[in-house]
Amino acid sequence: AQTVTQSQPEMSVQEAETVTLSCTYDTSESDYYLFWYKQPPSRQMILVIRQEAYKQQNATENRFSVNFQKAAKSFSLKISDSQLGDAAMYFCAYRSAYGSEKLVFGKGTKLTVNP
Amino acid sequence: KAGVTQTPRYLIKTRGQQVTLSCSPISGHRSVSWYQQTPGQGLQFLFEYFSETQRNKGNFPGRFSGRQFSNSRSEMNVSTLELGDSALYLCASAGGLATPQYFGPGTRLTVT
Repeated sequence: AQTVTQSQPEMSVQEAETVTLSCTYDTSESDYYLFWYKQPPSRQMILVIRQEAYKQQNATENRFSVNFQKAAKSFSLKISDSQLGDAAMYFCAYRSAYGSEKLVFGKGTKLTVNP
Repeated sequence: KAGVTQTPRYLIKTRGQQVTLSCSPISGHRSVSWYQQTPGQGLQFLFEYFSETQRNKGNFPGRFSGRQFSNSRSEMNVSTLELGDSALYLCASAGGLATPQYFGPGTRLTVT
């Protein structure tokens, strides 16, 4: 079974600074998808960024980028120019590419942005 | 496009009762998944439906069941509620295996 580990329960960053959230996963599959979701206090889960395992190029979405290291099974999220609105729980998630939408989530990292 | 909607948003039930939660996916999405979120266990997969068929099921007791209708709307039912069923129940829809899941706002269930 696949597992996802987020080793940082809490992180903090100063507004306008850069922060990196860590995620490692375990799988025996060769093709899969990885995601970062954000859950603010409103509880709505919002997709931040996705990465296909077969793509070597790291995904980027505006101020959010990932460092995907397939051999190391590592998938970190970098947030640049942090804003107060980035404060939330961030979840790393894994999904197999073979016939199921099931997401396996990490425990999450609570990000605080200090003004 | 309208997002995923879930009703009701909040629910208070008593132990032993049953509850039905509803999820309407994004228009055109045929896949619906359900997750339970608790402080202790985090986010756990309940089940997944595609075109009215259950495609995958998580490790939950038989008290948890679901179904999907021809218009892709989905319901999940929990019978004989226990205190430990108190959680945020999230529904997500997707337009296909190569597309990400988009979540609804959730239903907060409190069992007393």
